[in-house]
Amino acid sequence: QKEVEQDPGPLSVPEGAIVSLNCTYSNSAFQYFMWYRQYSRKGPELLMYTYSSGNKEDGRFTAQVDKSSKYISLFIRDSQPSDSATYLCAMMVSNSGYALNFGKGTSLLVTP
Amino acid sequence: DTAVSQTPKYLVTQMGNDKSIKCEQNLGHDTMYWYKQDSKKFLKIMFSYNNKELIINETVPNRFSPKSPDKAHLNLHINSLELGDSAVYFCASSTGRGYTFGSGTRLTVV
Repeated sequence: QKEVEQDPGPLSVPEGAIVSLNCTYSNSAFQYFMWYRQYSRKGPELLMYTYSSGNKEDGRFTAQVDKSSKYISLFIRDSQPSDSATYLCAMMVSNSGYALNFGKGTSLLVTP
Repeated sequence: DTAVSQTPKYLVTQMGNDKSIKCEQNLGHDTMYWYKQDSKKFLKIMFSYNNKELIINETVPNRFSPKSPDKAHLNLHINSLELGDSAVYFCASSTGRGYTFGSGTRLTVV
């Protein structure tokens, strides 16, 4: 069993829809949780960074962490065609040399 | 200015050759990394350096050797390239939170 599980999709939604992306994990030592967006043939870029359980909002993006269930989510409101990309969840243990453990990524397509 | 730049962007080479990928960051970060993204898009850490010191060395064939001449540079040398080395290699840097990734080097071994 991989430490971080993420449904690869693809996920296709119409413009304006609310998108929900999720990851589960097995390592209870993970303390830091991130979401990255990766466009085709580009490097991942950091979208959201959270430390504790709860919600964090940034514009149209909301990250949720539920440590008791080992489950994290990213919500995208009013999705736009420019949101079409692969979304990667990533997690880190604080004493691991900051090594990130990634999910496999979910491919999202937002259609006009 | 590009924050994390790596060269070359594309590399096509024959099996058995030796090649190097270079990475430079201008963010002043202390920690730099090499990640490998396979054909299924899965990103996995290979190496991490903190201020020129190797701190993470995952289970990677010893044909792969990182070198950090200073904290702004982290290069990756690969000896005796194999077909299975074909992947996208990403350099990244961080302060411990949130990474900044380069745009990747797409290595194809033929």
